[in-house]
Amino acid sequence: QVQLVQSGAEVKKPGASVKVSCKASGYTFTNYAMHWVRQAPGQSLEWMGWINAGNGNTKYSQKFQGRVTITRDTSASTAYMELSSLRSEDTAVYYCARGGYCSSTSCYTGIYYWGQGTLVTVSS
Amino acid sequence: QSVVTQPPSASGTPGQRVTISCSGSSSNIGSNTVNWYQQLPGTAPKLLIYSNNQRPSGVPDRFSGSKSGTSASLAISGLQSEDEADYYCAAWDDSLNGVFGGGTKLTVL
Repeated sequence: QVQLVQSGAEVKKPGASVKVSCKASGYTFTNYAMHWVRQAPGQSLEWMGWINAGNGNTKYSQKFQGRVTITRDTSASTAYMELSSLRSEDTAVYYCARGGYCSSTSCYTGIYYWGQGTLVTVSS
Repeated sequence: QSVVTQPPSASGTPGQRVTISCSGSSSNIGSNTVNWYQQLPGTAPKLLIYSNNQRPSGVPDRFSGSKSGTSASLAISGLQSEDEADYYCAAWDDSLNGVFGGGTKLTVL
């Protein structure tokens, strides 16, 4: 069965960076997209970006462009999301989520499986 | 403010049928499929409906989805107390950016 296991909670100071990991199992990692979605306390879900785990191509929400970097390590079946220049408004639970099947050039849209979430707290 | 709009709340009594709407535009819902997610308190979202009206295995057939034009709907029939949760619709825009609705909190009275 598909499993996405994320790294543990983080506390960061404003201006710092955070890197969250997401280890996948139960499927062929390089055949699918991996998305990152965040949820601030009491708020809705917010899509941040995705990576084609096969070829490494990425797409980011314009809101986070320049501050977010999504990467992957195919040998470890692990995806990473790094967010820089943190501010208090970035306090949220960050989820990785497996997307659709990817060909060599593109991926089907949709989000199908979710990690357990990682709480990132930004506080001075 | 999300570009995809849901009512903030909905409610029903056990056994009732409840519908949650999701309104977008021609650049998102109007040209791409819609997924629905259920989020129980303190847990990660779970896929409920994909490709507008398809249920993953394990999701009861009490849950159904539909789409027409730039709007989509989630229907829950035979409402149960364990259906009390937040429900989110999601779509993709023409630039392949993900878009979530603002979420609907369902209360079972």
